[in-house]
Parts: sequence; C-alpha cells; structure tokens
Amino acid sequence: DVKVTQSSRYLVKRTGEKVFLECVQDMDHENMFWYRQDPGLGLRLIYFSYDVKMKEKGDIPEGYSVSREKKERFSLILESASTNQTSMYLCASSEGQGEWDYGYTFGSGTRLTVV
Amino acid sequence: QKEVEQNSGPLSVPEGAIASLNCTYSDRGSQSFFWYRQYSGKSPELIMFIYSNGDKEDGRFTAQLNKASQYVSLLIRDSQPSDSATYLCAVNWYNFNKFYFGSGTKLNVKP
Repeated sequence: DVKVTQSSRYLVKRTGEKVFLECVQDMDHENMFWYRQDPGLGLRLIYFSYDVKMKEKGDIPEGYSVSREKKERFSLILESASTNQTSMYLCASSEGQGEWDYGYTFGSGTRLTVV
Repeated sequence: QKEVEQNSGPLSVPEGAIASLNCTYSDRGSQSFFWYRQYSGKSPELIMFIYSNGDKEDGRFTAQLNKASQYVSLLIRDSQPSDSATYLCAVNWYNFNKFYFGSGTKLNVKP
C-alpha cells in the first residue's frame, strides 16, 4: 500500500513561530499536495508540486511556503504562525499523469493549533 | 473560482437502505470525478472514481456521472452503520493533477 506519512499528528505552536510540517511518501509518486481542512470550508489547496524543486501555488498560499528537495518529501512551512492558521493540514500524493489521474492518497493529517 | 457543491447533511438513512449522495460542479472542463470517505478525526480515503458519463459500480457503491448536467452522485446500497462518515466529492479540471473538493455530506446510517 502507498503510505503517506506526516511527521506529527498534533502540534501546538506559538504565534510568530516558524513551523515545519513534513510529509513523506514511499511510492515514487510525482505529485504531492498540501491542503488544509476547516469545518464548513472543506479542503483548500495551499501548494502543490509535480516534480522535485518544482512548486505551484494553490488557492490559499498566503503565509505559507513549501520545499521539495527530494521526490519523496514535501514540506510545508508557516513562516510566522498566526492563530488563523490553526487547522487540520493534510498532505497527499498521486501518480496521475496528464489526462488520467488515480486519485490522492492522504497522510493521516496534522492538527496544528497556534496559540 | 472552481466550485464543487454538496449538501452538508446530515443525511440519515436506516440500515439496509440506499443512501444517495449528490455533488454538482461549476466548470464543464472537468475531467474526472472522485468520491472519498472521511471518518471523524481521520483523513479521507478514496472510494471510487469515474471519468465517463453513466454508471460505474464497485461492490455496494455506484457512481453516476452526467456531464451535461454537471452532476455526479454516489449511491450506497445496503447501507451499514459502518458507512456513517462524511463523503467528499472531488473534481479534477482539465489535465491538471489537482482536485477541488466539496465540503462534504455527513451520512448517518441508523441501526
């Protein structure tokens, strides 16, 4: 089975801290994604990457950055954490190419609380 | 802005009944359509996907797609209490390998 591993299940950080959320997948997938999930708002795409060193902004990139130095690892960085970034963060990967896609495999999520 | 709309529910059905979950999307350029199930406190897991108009069956699940009406649905036959979860509809636009999600429909299957 494809595994997508997120380094932390629960995280509490202080306002203004720099926060790193790590995601590793073990199936050689090209595509990796970061979403946040909030009640009533669903999943919203923050950033995604189709290849090493490549990154694209999603719908809500403000306040976030990403890094993909190796194919299997995609990191989300909160440059200066704020309380409105308190959320569930979900990493996903997929092997879709071009027209066809086979859907995401999600990590178990990181519930981040910024105090 | 791409929009994927789902009724938030909760949708309550008795055990053994058919649950019908619906999703509409805003852009005719949509290519593929996925259904995910998310149990409370867990991450979404893929149930099935559909690319072409019509029905696609997988066990107790049937996905139905009507591109002209911009409508996709998920039917769950012989619903079980273990099916109680939030069901997320996801739509992929054009050839980009990223999805837009609806906010989900919460399903309760009562024993």
